[in-house]
Amino acid sequence: AQKITQTQPGMFVQEKEAVTLDCTYDTSDPSYGLFWYKQPSSGEMIFLIYQGSYDQQNATEGRYSLNFQKARKSANLVISASQLGDSAMYFCAMREGGGYNKLIFGAGTRLAVHP
Amino acid sequence: DAGVIQSPRHEVTEMGQEVTLRCKPISGHDYLFWYRQTMMRGLELLIYFNNNVPIDDSGMPEDRFSAKMPNASFSTLKIQPSEPRDSAVYFCASSPRAIGHNQPQHFGDGTRLSIL
Repeated sequence: AQKITQTQPGMFVQEKEAVTLDCTYDTSDPSYGLFWYKQPSSGEMIFLIYQGSYDQQNATEGRYSLNFQKARKSANLVISASQLGDSAMYFCAMREGGGYNKLIFGAGTRLAVHP
Repeated sequence: DAGVIQSPRHEVTEMGQEVTLRCKPISGHDYLFWYRQTMMRGLELLIYFNNNVPIDDSGMPEDRFSAKMPNASFSTLKIQPSEPRDSAVYFCASSPRAIGHNQPQHFGDGTRLSIL
């Protein structure tokens, strides 16, 4: 069963607008963590933001915020005030409990920011 | 602080040749991961180590692939013999000991491997 689903293969947004990238996950473990990574065209993987399953508040990091809806098992990434440099692939990932340290990645969403 | 360092950045070789990819994790990180990224299969975990010991190698595609971590600051991923279908970007990542789940994995810049 697919554990991380990113249903949007591609998205585009106008510069300075906000955009939401969707991520849903599937786990029966009550303890887990959710991560978002950015992969620009240069290829490196850049960690953006983290949300823990027990965190009471949605995570924020600068222009990035995570819209965490636990009951719906969704962890959408919101990028505010988009910039041209935000154009990249974005991956959602999950780490489950049980003492393991594996990340399971979604297929990614390609974001294009238009001027 | 230095990040995860991978070498080489690019490798082009003929099928049948041995390929060795190298990784230096961030100092003090207990975990090291090897991933492969392709258009068809996305990002796949091949193997990961904890304190230099392989923990899960279930993602290693076949016996042609092997990985070692002789010490805390160095790991290799070897393909022998290489095949064109091994062409991909190979990432190494490291993370500190996980207390809870909040430690991200830090990725190297990857090795772009092309097998002709």
